[in-house]
Amino acid sequence: DIQLTQSPSTLSASVGDRVTITCRASQNVDSWLAWYRQKPGKAPKLLIYAASGLESGVPSRFSGSESGTEFTLTIDSLQPDDFAVYYCQQYYTYPFTFGGGTKVEV
Amino acid sequence: QVQLRQWGAGLLAPSETLSLTCAVYGGSFNTYYWSWIRQSPGKGLEWIGEVTDGGVTNYNPSLKSRVIISADASKKQFSLDLTSVTAADTALYFCARSPSRYYGLDFWGQGNLVTVSS
Repeated sequence: DIQLTQSPSTLSASVGDRVTITCRASQNVDSWLAWYRQKPGKAPKLLIYAASGLESGVPSRFSGSESGTEFTLTIDSLQPDDFAVYYCQQYYTYPFTFGGGTKVEV
Repeated sequence: QVQLRQWGAGLLAPSETLSLTCAVYGGSFNTYYWSWIRQSPGKGLEWIGEVTDGGVTNYNPSLKSRVIISADASKKQFSLDLTSVTAADTALYFCARSPSRYYGLDFWGQGNLVTVSS
């Protein structure tokens, strides 16, 4: 299985900050990587697909990029709604796998 | 607006079969991939498997011997059966949709907490 390693596991930030989360794949996933935001007790919400595609309805402060097997989620100007846990997921090969998550906290 | 609503038993004894169903409202069932994912404190998010509207399935090898995912396109529903459950199967189970092989999971069900306990 492809392992996805997210860093950091926890990130302390304030409203208005620029935040960067990294996801490193154990092998090639091409660009088939997605990012999700999850709030307590809720299902994950798709933010980014295909490494850098912004999902419809998602604010433009979210962006994704890639460099080889390293992927980055950036949140420009963190909003109160953004304090949550973020996950990456690869869907390049079965079984699809998720990263361990990054908690963005105050 | 597309909605996925899921239901099933929330408390099971060891060795029983976990059964969940997910219904699709407000959108097409055809041409999409329909997945089950679970989330437990110890293992994070785990993809269980998927089914297409035509009934083609792909499973996580770690669960393949115990999982059946099926689809009923006429009802716009798909289901998960996980046999011989143990405490390790205790988790929050989600259903979700993917528009294509090259996309993420864009709509999710509300989740079902399933507890396995004697």
